[in-house]
Amino acid sequence: DQQVKQNSPSLSVQEGRISILNCDYTNSMFDYFLWYKKYPAEGPTFLISISSIKDKNEDGRFTVFLNKSAKHLSLHIVPSQPGDSAVYFCAASDSGGGADGLTFGKGTHLIIQP
Amino acid sequence: DAGVIQSPRHEVTEMGQEVTLRCKPISGHNSLFWYRQTMMRGLELLIYFNNNVPIDDSGMPEDRFSAKMPNASFSTLKIQPSEPRDSAVYFCASSHGQGPTYEQYFGPGTRLTVT
Repeated sequence: DQQVKQNSPSLSVQEGRISILNCDYTNSMFDYFLWYKKYPAEGPTFLISISSIKDKNEDGRFTVFLNKSAKHLSLHIVPSQPGDSAVYFCAASDSGGGADGLTFGKGTHLIIQP
Repeated sequence: DAGVIQSPRHEVTEMGQEVTLRCKPISGHNSLFWYRQTMMRGLELLIYFNNNVPIDDSGMPEDRFSAKMPNASFSTLKIQPSEPRDSAVYFCASSHGQGPTYEQYFGPGTRLTVT
């Protein structure tokens, strides 16, 4: 039973356009959400996070939106660049951002086309 | 800092053999996590430690899996005996574990193949 779902295994976007990656969750106890980026043969690296008390968090080209009523979050990348091509994982925590383990989605492979 | 260090990077073993994966967390981090990535199940949390103490091992699939953290700078994940379905990439991650926001820093992973 996947508590964090990324329903798009892959997404292709043209360079310079906006990339939107989606994530849904089922556990209403989740109160902290993170996005990780992963290149082949490397471990995931932290990208951006959001607490459930917020509905938006922005960091440069990356913005995460949270819709608690829909149990949905999305990551926007604008403008998309070739180096953004990677697998993006959505993750969630039910511990208020404490030191507990994360529940991950299966990932979305983003391909930025020149 | 060198980041989270995992060894070996690749491991190929035969079914029934014991496998030991190693992890050195980032200095100063007091939380350590073991994850497994497979095509079918994605990234799954196996076990995590706070201050060297195992907190939640509910993700460990079977008794064949065990993990230890004898000190703040070292952890092992052991599979005995190994089976082909254990083939996966195993990641170790660490964090300073302080709220309200934190990041987990991942190692490069160990790709395990059990034949």
